[in-house]
Amino acid sequence: DVKVTQSSRYLVKRTGEKVFLECVQDMDHENMFWYRQDPGLGLRLIYFSYDVKMKEKGDIPEGYSVSREKKERFSLILESASTNQTSMYLCASSQNNEKLFFGSGTQLSVL
Amino acid sequence: QKEVEQNSGPLSVPEGAIASLNCTYSDRGSQSFFWYRQYSGKSPELIMSIYSNGDKEDGRFTAQLNKASQYVSLLIRDSQPSDSATYLCAVSDSGGGADGLTFGKGTHLIIQP
Repeated sequence: DVKVTQSSRYLVKRTGEKVFLECVQDMDHENMFWYRQDPGLGLRLIYFSYDVKMKEKGDIPEGYSVSREKKERFSLILESASTNQTSMYLCASSQNNEKLFFGSGTQLSVL
Repeated sequence: QKEVEQNSGPLSVPEGAIASLNCTYSDRGSQSFFWYRQYSGKSPELIMSIYSNGDKEDGRFTAQLNKASQYVSLLIRDSQPSDSATYLCAVSDSGGGADGLTFGKGTHLIIQP
C-alpha cells in the first residue's frame, strides 16, 4: 500500500516563525501536492510538483513556498507564519491524476 | 477559476435507504471525476472514479456522470451508519496530467440508525 507520511500531526508556531512541513511518499510517485483544508472552504491546492526540482503554483500560493530536492520528499515552507495560515495541511501524491493518496495531515496553529 | 459545487448538508438518510450526493462543475473541459470520503479527523480516501458519461457501479456505490449537464453524482445503496462522513467531489481537467484536482467543499452525510 502507498504510504504518504507527514512529519507532524499537530504543530504550534508563533507569528513570524519560519515553518517547515515535511512529506514523504514511498511509492515512487511523480506528482506531489500540498493542500490546505479549512471549514467552509474545503480543500484548496497550494503548490504541486510533477518532478524533482519542479514546482507549480496552485490556487493559493501566496505566503508559501515548496522544495522538492528528492523524488520522495516534498516540503512546504511558510517563510513568516501568520495567524491566517492556521489550518489543516494535507500532502498527497499520485502517479497521475487517477488517484491521490493523502497523508494523515498536519494541524498547524499559528499564535 | 474552476469551480466544483456541492450542497454542504448535512444530508440525513435512514439506515438501509439510498443516499444521493450531487456535484456540479464549471469547467466544460473536465475529463476525470472522483468521489472521496473523509471521516472526521481523517484524510480523504478515494472511493469512486468515473471518466465517461453514464453509470459506474462498485459494490453499494454508483457514480453517475452527465458531461452535457456538467453533473456528477454518487449513490450509496443500503446506507450504513459507517457511511456517515463528508463526501468530496473532485474534478480534473487534464485527464492524467499533474496539475492536481479541484475539490468541492463536501457534503456531510449522516446515516440514522
